[in-house]
Amino acid sequence: GESVGLHLPTLSVQEGDNSIINCAYSNSASDYFIWYKQESGKGPQFIIDIRSNMDKRQGQRVTVLLNKTVKHLSLQIAATQPGDSAVYFCAEKSGGSYIPTFGRGTSLIVHP
Amino acid sequence: NAGVTQTPKFQVLKTGQSMTLQCAQDMNHNSMYWYRQDPGMGLRLIYYSASEGTTDKGEVPNGYNVSRLNKREFSLRLESAAPSQTSVYFCASSEAGYSNQPQHFGDGTRLSIL
Repeated sequence: GESVGLHLPTLSVQEGDNSIINCAYSNSASDYFIWYKQESGKGPQFIIDIRSNMDKRQGQRVTVLLNKTVKHLSLQIAATQPGDSAVYFCAEKSGGSYIPTFGRGTSLIVHP
Repeated sequence: NAGVTQTPKFQVLKTGQSMTLQCAQDMNHNSMYWYRQDPGMGLRLIYYSASEGTTDKGEVPNGYNVSRLNKREFSLRLESAAPSQTSVYFCASSEAGYSNQPQHFGDGTRLSIL
């Protein structure tokens, strides 16, 4: 597939471990945050989102944490599986704007 | 329910040729977007359409034109392709771009310009 992950930060974990992927955002006015997963050869896939009035949101095997004080977002994946191997990136958006700002991403590699 | 469908999936062009990338969504979304993705550079917005009948430039609009044909379809045209436009192009849609809703992406068009 294409080298979407070229030169990206990489996180390598063993199958069954918990993974934590971090994202620093830049705009203190951002009030909506999204995590996407991109597998090789495919488009970004929505995983989970969180609004700024929350600091934690849970989905199936995933949890997003938001720390507005330090402008930091994290994605936690429980019991990581080989199928979780992909590039993960965050996006931020401020209310009333049509345009989200995307991070460059982190490549997650899960070893069986 | 196909979501966002892009055609073609792959294309090779010669410098100076023109082509149109097609995108259609079946989620009744109001806003649609075109991005390009280059290795290590993340997604860069080319053009977007906040609603049917409107289009606006994004971060990298030079060399491209768009048409919002109807609520479902948003096409991207390269009038005179250049090697610098070799990239993977993604179309996305969202319910209403100004609201806090995620974008949904197609699987991309891989375009090579020789």
